[in-house]
Amino acid sequence: GAGVSQSPRYKVAKRGQDVALRCDPISGHVSLFWYQQALGQGPEFLTYFQNEAQLDKSGLPSDRFFAERPEGSVSTLKIQRTQQEDSAVYLCASSSWGIKTSGRVNEQFFGPGTRLTVL
Amino acid sequence: AQSVAQPEDQVNVAEGNPLTVKCTYSVSGNPYLFWYVQYPNRGLQFLLKYITGDNLVKGSYGFEAEFNKSQTSFHLKKPSALVSDSALYFCAVRLSGGYNKLIFGAGTRLAVHP
Repeated sequence: GAGVSQSPRYKVAKRGQDVALRCDPISGHVSLFWYQQALGQGPEFLTYFQNEAQLDKSGLPSDRFFAERPEGSVSTLKIQRTQQEDSAVYLCASSSWGIKTSGRVNEQFFGPGTRLTVL
Repeated sequence: AQSVAQPEDQVNVAEGNPLTVKCTYSVSGNPYLFWYVQYPNRGLQFLLKYITGDNLVKGSYGFEAEFNKSQTSFHLKKPSALVSDSALYFCAVRLSGGYNKLIFGAGTRLAVHP
């Protein structure tokens, strides 16, 4: 399909394990975002990429969280030494414009999310 | 600090009746406003956005939203609700500068009863 895809859809981890969540954005989209959605809450911004550059990581809750997008397409969000408070749905979104084209305001297209449960 | 408030956790409406889901925002500068809908086990789907121009914005599935600058509101509306509209609705704001980082409200669950 032409939408944003994420894998795995569900992940159960034991406390202390490392996890890696993958996002495949819409082909050609410059901007890629990661959000964290806790149960009963709205999504909260984690980090932003324009192509391969990580321009904002101000929302990452701790240094256990790391994201990359080495070739400017697929992105991976890695959480080291998972804790129970990391349990949430992790959403990836992409859009077709970046900072230099800020005259355009495009919507973000969201993937289905990865539901992470840390036991 | 920028924020979005959705004052109702849940809205109940009978099928065929008009619906309103409320949203207010607090930002410095000109806001760009969005509504998204989330169905169970699915990602957020874009409904509509306000950037500039007419205060009444029309979007997908018959939804519309009215931007009110003096009341800092962006309420979502539909003239005639369908049972299939039952879902979780999120209002979001983006600042006019920089990139497209969105700030979301906590969401409102819409329940449309037959």
